[in-house]
This record gives sequence, structure tokens and C-alpha cells, in this order.
Amino acid sequence: AAGVIQSPRHLIKEKRETATLKCYPIPRHDTVYWYQQGPGQDPQFLISFYEKMQSDKGSIPDRFSAQQFSDYHSELNMSSLELGDSALYFCASSLAGHNSPLHFGNGTRLTVT
Amino acid sequence: AQTVTQSQPEMSVQEAETVTLSCTYDTSESDYYLFWYKQPPSRQMILVIRQEAYKQQNATENRFSVNFQKAAKSFSLKISDSQLGDAAMYFCAYRRGEGSQGNLIFGKGTKLSVKP
Repeated sequence: AAGVIQSPRHLIKEKRETATLKCYPIPRHDTVYWYQQGPGQDPQFLISFYEKMQSDKGSIPDRFSAQQFSDYHSELNMSSLELGDSALYFCASSLAGHNSPLHFGNGTRLTVT
Repeated sequence: AQTVTQSQPEMSVQEAETVTLSCTYDTSESDYYLFWYKQPPSRQMILVIRQEAYKQQNATENRFSVNFQKAAKSFSLKISDSQLGDAAMYFCAYRRGEGSQGNLIFGKGTKLSVKP
């Protein structure tokens, strides 16, 4: 079965640079979520989109922005990167309706040096 | 705001034995969903089991089962016949049943070790 695809798997950036993470949800899934997981931490919700509109917002810094495109893929744009942004970034997708579980991608590991 | 608490940072079990991971949550809502996710060293997040709050029957998935006590706001995970591949970080998660599109709120996780 198709899963959530995230790219790239690994990304190394320097401070103050920008980064773009991509997420391709499971086909027919209309909701996308972004999570940030620091070392030894639980995943923290950043933002979600339903039918290309932002549906919920968590602890996403103002330096970050995201959108969902017409083909339902989503991109997380991160600017003015800081050392503390180094983390594993997960994308998850689901069908609308709370009985539908979230399916996670393998994550993008971002390292800021 | 909803919170999820996992009081056991680490647990250990002997291969083939049974282990129970604890999770409690706090919410004022009556409609919600609870999940257990497994995160092995590969860091992939894998859904283990889910429970709808309106269902009294405890969910089961092969060797994995839950003890859902709604009044006590408790949602423990029991792993039977533990296998080496069960070694991972286990996260309990809460999801609202109405309103927004329902992002997950995670506990801090329990690291499970399986001894051969």
C-alpha cells in the first residue's frame, strides 16, 4: 500500500539559510499534518491543512510557513534557520473524519550547523 | 487544553513475557480518540492500536490490546508474548472528536526494552 512520502530524507543547512520540506500524502487523503520532533522529545504539532486550507495551527514559529497544493502535496518552508530547528520533521496524512488515523511518513531529518 | 501523561519513561520486559505501558489523559470532551504509536530506532511512527471513546469494548490487534477506562481517563497498552522487534519508543496520543481536523497530542513516550 502507498504510504506518505517525504523528501528529502536528510537535509543539512547553515544558520540563517532557508529549507523546504515536501510531503506527498497517501492517495485520497485530504488532510496533511506537520510535526516537529526534537532529540528525545515527543512530536509537537506545527500545522495542518484540509482541502488546501489551513485547518489548525500549533507551535509553528513565524519563520515557518506551509501550504497544501491542488494535488494535495504539502510543503513546509523554513527561513532564517536556527540551531534549535534541528529536528526530525514528520508529515502525516488522513481522511477527514476523526475515526481516520494519521499515517506518518518516514520524516525529514534537518540538521542546522 | 488536553494533556497526555506517560508516567513510565522506560520499561523492560523479558522476551515472550507480557508488559503493560501506562497512559492517562485529561480532557473535558466526551468525544475523542486514543492511539498508541510505536517509534523504533528507525524513527518511523507506526500506528499500533486505536480506541474510540464512545466504544466500551477494548481494542485489540493481535498481541496488542488496551485497557480503556474512560471514567479514570486511563488508556494502557498491553503487549503479550513480547518479541525483540517490539523494542521501541511508545507514544500514547489523544485526538479530539469534533471541531478542528483533529491533530494528535502526544505523551512524552515510554522506551521499551526487550531482553532476550
